[in-house]
Amino acid sequence: GENVEQHPSTLSVQEGDSAVIKCTYSDSASNYFPWYKQELGKRPQLIIDIRSNVGEKKDQRIAVTLNKTAKHFSLHITETQPEDSAVYFCASDGSSNTGKLIFGQGTTLQVKP
Amino acid sequence: DGGITQSPKYLFRKEGQNVTLSCEQNLNHDAMYWYRQDPGQGLRLIYYSQIVNDFQKGDIAEGYSVSREKKESFPLTVTSAQKNPTAFYLCASNRQGMNTGELFFGEGSRLTVL
Repeated sequence: GENVEQHPSTLSVQEGDSAVIKCTYSDSASNYFPWYKQELGKRPQLIIDIRSNVGEKKDQRIAVTLNKTAKHFSLHITETQPEDSAVYFCASDGSSNTGKLIFGQGTTLQVKP
Repeated sequence: DGGITQSPKYLFRKEGQNVTLSCEQNLNHDAMYWYRQDPGQGLRLIYYSQIVNDFQKGDIAEGYSVSREKKESFPLTVTSAQKNPTAFYLCASNRQGMNTGELFFGEGSRLTVL
């Protein structure tokens, strides 16, 4: 089955710097790659997603890139702010076409003021 | 107010007792999912259901059971066979269609077994 690896597990940056989180996946038939943000004690919420027919997608300060050949995708956050501090999860849908998502292990991002 | 409601938010139980976690959605979504969250391990899929009266095991189904008698409801029972049940449990749902789409999560239920 699909396996998603996420790195790093923790990331600390200074306010205003950029942050990059990387994920690799194993199933070449995967088509959907979302990123979720989970603030402390709250539910995960979708912040951006990308499908396999697109190489890059941007939404204000966040962007996601996808390299299907290498089977990896990355989240980029520019001009980080303290409110970006949270746990970020990447995921992929694998090839089962059931709608389920397989998640990475998570990255705890700390933005220092 | 549309969304997914999980209850209870916190639950304490003694070892050997079965526990049922509730999940209700009013989003008219066909598919529902249960994930378990442990520190440093991400979200792991326990069970999922794409349609009423049908469900499939996820990656860590042992020691858990579910039912899907109504479209809106997908309760999870943590049985005494689950060796390490203390965790944060998240219920989610999404539409079923040609493409996988956004998962909507509930607020979660934190189970502590004493």
